[in-house]
Amino acid sequence: NAGVTQTPKFRILKIGQSMTLQCTQDMNHNYMYWYRQDPGMGLKLIYYSVGAGITDKGEVPNGYNVSRSTTEDFPLRLELAAPSQTSVYFCASSYGTGRRNTEAFFGQGTRLTVV
Amino acid sequence: GESVGLHLPTLSVQEGDNSIINCAYSNSASDYFIWYKQESGKGPQFIIDIRSNMDKRQGQRVTVLLNKTVKHLSLQIAATQPGDSAVYFCAENGGSNYKLTFGKGTLLTVNP
Repeated sequence: NAGVTQTPKFRILKIGQSMTLQCTQDMNHNYMYWYRQDPGMGLKLIYYSVGAGITDKGEVPNGYNVSRSTTEDFPLRLELAAPSQTSVYFCASSYGTGRRNTEAFFGQGTRLTVV
Repeated sequence: GESVGLHLPTLSVQEGDNSIINCAYSNSASDYFIWYKQESGKGPQFIIDIRSNMDKRQGQRVTVLLNKTVKHLSLQIAATQPGDSAVYFCAENGGSNYKLTFGKGTLLTVNP
């Protein structure tokens, strides 16, 4: 199984540009997440989805949008890129087994630089 | 707000020694605590979790200890190997079944 696949791996954006970070998983997981990781920091939750058609905000949603039209795909959209969005972005998924939904599977990450 | 944090940002050990990575948490509503490992250039990988009604759980070469009295979590790695070199994150679920809050991480370096 491929697991969680993110594209692209690297991207440089100019201020004000837009882009979509792609994420797909082949494990038939209900739950999917987008995190950002700033240098030397932990992961902060941007958005999450508990199933197709359902999305909700995490800790740091401003400047981002998501959609979940299928179980497999969970793209993250940056509409007007800002330098503060320079970070490494991780997509993750989990099966969702009640309270013990603790094992998330992460993609390799997308390193985004906004200049 | 409530958060998960780590006592030490870096830890350097000799190959073969045991490693102990510590974490403090403040959200008493969490019922699961988790450790993740992140190797350079990769996404985090689940290691082990522990439910709040337990104080110890063992896996392969790893042991997680939970002290609810002082809100402290630790990860012990036995016979540390060079392949254990990574950043280790503790996380907690805040009583939610789908959201994890991660700490800042501890960089473990294993010297041969």
